[in-house]
Amino acid sequence: GESVGLHLPTLSVQEGDNSIINCAYSNSASDYFIWYKQESGKGPQFIIDIRSNMDKRQGQRVTVLLNKTVKHLSLQIAATQPGDSAVYFCADPKYNDYKLSFGAGTTVTVRA
Amino acid sequence: DTGVSQNPRHKITKRGQNVTFRCDPISEHNRLYWYRQTLGQGPEFLTYFQNEAQLEKSRLLSDRFSAERPKGSFSTLEIQRTEQGDSAMYLCASSVGTSGKLGNEQFFGPGTRLTVL
Repeated sequence: GESVGLHLPTLSVQEGDNSIINCAYSNSASDYFIWYKQESGKGPQFIIDIRSNMDKRQGQRVTVLLNKTVKHLSLQIAATQPGDSAVYFCADPKYNDYKLSFGAGTTVTVRA
Repeated sequence: DTGVSQNPRHKITKRGQNVTFRCDPISEHNRLYWYRQTLGQGPEFLTYFQNEAQLEKSRLLSDRFSAERPKGSFSTLEIQRTEQGDSAMYLCASSVGTSGKLGNEQFFGPGTRLTVL
């Protein structure tokens, strides 16, 4: 079965607010996670990654938090914009460095 | 555009027909991956190549599926005797192929959406 899964299938956010997308994983040996964004009609696009020796990593308007104790990670998007509307996946390379295992995804809809 | 390209973008076929998809990875990327994505789900790994060698095939890849990367550049995915259950988005990705997880980011193409009637 999948090793990563998202908590909520959909998230509706007011433009300008912050978004938080959650993901749980089951394999305590997982040591690397990636967040992807998939817009309609496109392939997944890399957003940010994090190693298990880190608790937090920041990118441009995005922050990923990793809580290894409860095997949970989250993606925070600051000042959500209409262009952030997409499906977001957390992915885990799952024991190796090539085969990505994706969760079902959270669909983020930004309200104007 | 130097990203991953896939052709065709859409394919509609009748059950029982054969279809072939093509993926052109980013130039000089050694690894090429095929994934399948059904509606509402995340991509599922099918197979991957290191240069021209196909190194792993998922159990999802039945005998009707075959993938090739003859010269270590572009790849083709063929589905023989298509079934309605094959309807999905077929995604291709490529990466530089360095060992280890970091720095081995997979870049995805736009996908080929297959509809089997």
